[in-house]
Amino acid sequence: DVKVTQSSRYLVKRTGEKVFLECVQDMDHENMFWYRQDPGLGLRLIYFSYDVKMKEKGDIPEGYSVSREKKERFSLILESASTNQTSMYLCASSFGTGTQPQHFGDGTRLSIL
Amino acid sequence: RKEVEQDPGPFNVPEGATVAFNCTYSNSASQSFFWYRQDCRKEPKLLMSVYSSGNEDGRFTAQLNRASQYISLLIRDSKLSDSATYLCVVNRRGSQGNLIFGKGTKLSVKP
Repeated sequence: DVKVTQSSRYLVKRTGEKVFLECVQDMDHENMFWYRQDPGLGLRLIYFSYDVKMKEKGDIPEGYSVSREKKERFSLILESASTNQTSMYLCASSFGTGTQPQHFGDGTRLSIL
Repeated sequence: RKEVEQDPGPFNVPEGATVAFNCTYSNSASQSFFWYRQDCRKEPKLLMSVYSSGNEDGRFTAQLNRASQYISLLIRDSKLSDSATYLCVVNRRGSQGNLIFGKGTKLSVKP
C-alpha cells in the first residue's frame, strides 16, 4: 500500500510566521503535489514536482514556496502566514505520467491566528 | 465550460437505492479518468479508474463517453457507508501526473 505521511494533522500558527508543512511518501513516486481544500472551492493545486529539485507552480502559488531535496520528501512553505491561508492542506504523490492516480496523505488542518 | 463539472448535490437516498452521478470535462484530449471518494474531514481516496469500455467493481459501475466528454458513476444497492462526497477526476493534458479534481457530489444514504 502507498503511504503518504504528513507531519502534522493539526497546526496553529500566528500571522507573519514562517510555516513548514512536510510530506513523505514511501513508494518511490516521481510526482508530488500540494493542494489546499476549502469549503465550496474544492481541491486547488498550489505547487507540484515531478523530480528532485524540480518544482512547478499550480493554480494558486502566491504566498507559498516548496522544496524537494529528496525524492521522497516534498515540503510546503508559507513564507509569511496570513489568515486567508487557514485551510486544509493535502499532499499527494503519483507514479510516472499523467495516467496514474494520486495517493493522498491524511491532511493538515492549519489555522492562522 | 469548467474543466471538470459535477452536480454538487446533496443526493439524499434511502438504503438499497440506485444512484447515479454525472460529470463533464472540457478537454477533449484528456486520457485518464478516475472517481475518488472523500469522507467528511478526511483525505480523498481512489474509488476506481474509468476505462473507455466501462468498468465495474462490485456495486459500482463507471462509464466514459468520450464523444460527449461525460463520465458517470452508478452505485447500486446503496449502503449507509456509501455516504461521502464523490470527486470526478481527469488528467491535465501536457502536465506530468497532474490531475484536475471536480468539486464533488455529496451523497447521503439514509436508513
